[in-house]
Amino acid sequence: TQLLEQSPQFLSIQEGENLTVYCNSSSVFSSLQWYRQEPGEGPVLLVTVVTGGEVKKLKRLTFQFGDARKDSSLHITAAQPGDTGLYLCAGRKDSSNTGKLIFGQGTTLQVKP
Amino acid sequence: KAGVTQTPRYLIKTRGQQVTLSCSPISGHRSVSWYQQTPGQGLQFLFEYFSETQRNKGNFPGRFSGRQFSNSRSEMNVSTLELGDSALYLCASSLVTSGELFFGEGSRLTVL
Repeated sequence: TQLLEQSPQFLSIQEGENLTVYCNSSSVFSSLQWYRQEPGEGPVLLVTVVTGGEVKKLKRLTFQFGDARKDSSLHITAAQPGDTGLYLCAGRKDSSNTGKLIFGQGTTLQVKP
Repeated sequence: KAGVTQTPRYLIKTRGQQVTLSCSPISGHRSVSWYQQTPGQGLQFLFEYFSETQRNKGNFPGRFSGRQFSNSRSEMNVSTLELGDSALYLCASSLVTSGELFFGEGSRLTVL
């Protein structure tokens, strides 16, 4: 059973298009993180959201944490080829900063020039 | 500063053998976590060590074990390898005051 469901699993778009990736669960999380992983490398943290309804922006990336803290979304505006990679959401069930995260299956994004 | 270093990067083993993977965390990071990444299951938490003690454990069989040394370096061991153990094994280090995990590049294990 996957506690965090990501959709879509694969996304292939043209440069300049907008996209949204969803991360959904029936469980409440104390915090959610988004990572990006490129081939041959480990995941790199993009953002952490901890408050229900929170919205964070990182240049062309907008992250939102659902009001009930069960879901999150990542929106990319005007995607660029450099955005290509595997996007992973990951959640913590408790409020501690342990290394135990529950990961979604990931969304593979390909941005074509 | 130097990132998380994992060795070896690639290795090939046969069924029944055992393997030991090593992880050197970022200097000052005392928490080290291990994850298994496969195409089918994604990233799954194996265990976390903090100050040489296992703090959390995932849902993996006892063939998977780990330890942490006084310098925070960590090793994980998989005994009696099975074909399904083929995966990318990722190590991540973190500060106890922060929820950010810093991942290494991983050790890719192939079991034949």
